[in-house]
Amino acid sequence: GEDVEQSLFLSVREGDSSVINCTYTDSSSTYLYWYKQEPGAGLQLLTYIFSNMDMKQDQRLTVLLNKKDKHLSLRIADTQTGDSAIYFCAEMAPLTGTASKLTFGTGTRLQVTL
Amino acid sequence: DAGVIQSPRHEVTEMGQEVTLRCKPISGHNSLFWYRQTMMRGLELLIYFNNNVPIDDSGMPEDRFSAKMPNASFSTLKIQPSEPRDSAVYFCASSLRGAGGGYTFGSGTRLTVV
Repeated sequence: GEDVEQSLFLSVREGDSSVINCTYTDSSSTYLYWYKQEPGAGLQLLTYIFSNMDMKQDQRLTVLLNKKDKHLSLRIADTQTGDSAIYFCAEMAPLTGTASKLTFGTGTRLQVTL
Repeated sequence: DAGVIQSPRHEVTEMGQEVTLRCKPISGHNSLFWYRQTMMRGLELLIYFNNNVPIDDSGMPEDRFSAKMPNASFSTLKIQPSEPRDSAVYFCASSLRGAGGGYTFGSGTRLTVV
């Protein structure tokens, strides 16, 4: 079955790095995603990684994928107060003949302190 | 592109009333998803459509909930009759099947049933 797990809360100081972790169960996942949700807003796609990749870097964001352990992480370098939000991990598993389906984690609330 | 457009942004209604939420997906996207978000249960997939056809409605909580997609540019989620426990933020998202870019979410409709 599909299950995506994340820790609920992370607090970091401004300027430090943040690492948000996620574990998933579906080995057929093709893509894995990180979404950001700011208060009162919808989910915004931050970045994604194809399942045959180990790492993807995009400016301050680094995604690491350990497919053997089904573990995904998002590292935010030089964390800023504007990074305070809820971060959702999601996996996409293809459904034969139909739409691909995203399964979301519970979300990690990142709090950035001064 | 204006993105996924949802209306209304906020809805306050009395218990027992009918509520209709609306969604306009991104032009060219062929999959559409309705999600519900609450503090207690997080993000829940209610139903999704592929090429306007409902594929999986197993997430719809009760018969009081129904969704339609009469054409590629419009979908509705209806609750009749509404109950206080339906209070949540309802998100619509769309995607292009086969693409790795994930879903694009609307800004959501915050529903309060009193």
